[in-house]
Amino acid sequence: NAGVTQTPKFRILKIGQSMTLQCAQDMNHNYMYWYRQDPGMGLKLIYYSVGAGITDKGEVPNGYNVSRSTTEDFPLRLELAAPSQTSVYFCASSYPGTGSLAHYGYTFGSGTRLTVV
Amino acid sequence: GEDVEQSLFLSVREGDSSVINCTYTDSSSTYLYWYKQEPGAGLQLLTYIFSNMDMKQDQRLTVLLNKKDKHLSLRIADTQTGDSAIYFCAESVGTASKLTFGTGTRLQVTL
Repeated sequence: NAGVTQTPKFRILKIGQSMTLQCAQDMNHNYMYWYRQDPGMGLKLIYYSVGAGITDKGEVPNGYNVSRSTTEDFPLRLELAAPSQTSVYFCASSYPGTGSLAHYGYTFGSGTRLTVV
Repeated sequence: GEDVEQSLFLSVREGDSSVINCTYTDSSSTYLYWYKQEPGAGLQLLTYIFSNMDMKQDQRLTVLLNKKDKHLSLRIADTQTGDSAIYFCAESVGTASKLTFGTGTRLQVTL
């Protein structure tokens, strides 16, 4: 299994440009998440999805958009890149287990390092 | 809102024990987690503890939970150079299994 695959691994954008960060998982997980990681700040939740066609805002959604047309894919869109969006972006997925599986933690992708100049 | 707090840095000698501490925010969190991040990689789940437990041992890892003080710790016995990484605690909050992560503790293991 590939797990969670993120592309690209690195990207430099100019201010005002747009891009889509891709995320795909092959574990049939219902739940998917986008986080950003800034130095010394931990991870902040941008958006999440509990299934195809359902998305919701996290803690820091401004400047981003998402869609979830399939169970496997959860792309993150930056419409007008700003220097404040320079960060490392992680996609994760999880299985909404119950009972003995309720502890199921996240599987993370390897991240996309984005620099906006 | 409140942050999940961790100290930023810990340095230990190879073979010693490491203790990484975390103060979380939500007393109703069902599960609490420890993740490990190696350079240039995503986070990897190390272990977790259910909120009705106060201790969990998993090989070299021991997790202690003090619900009264909302304090979580991770002890790594016989710390090795391969344990050098950033360690994040996380708590499950609300619905959709959303996790709130701490700021991360960088563990440096010296010879």
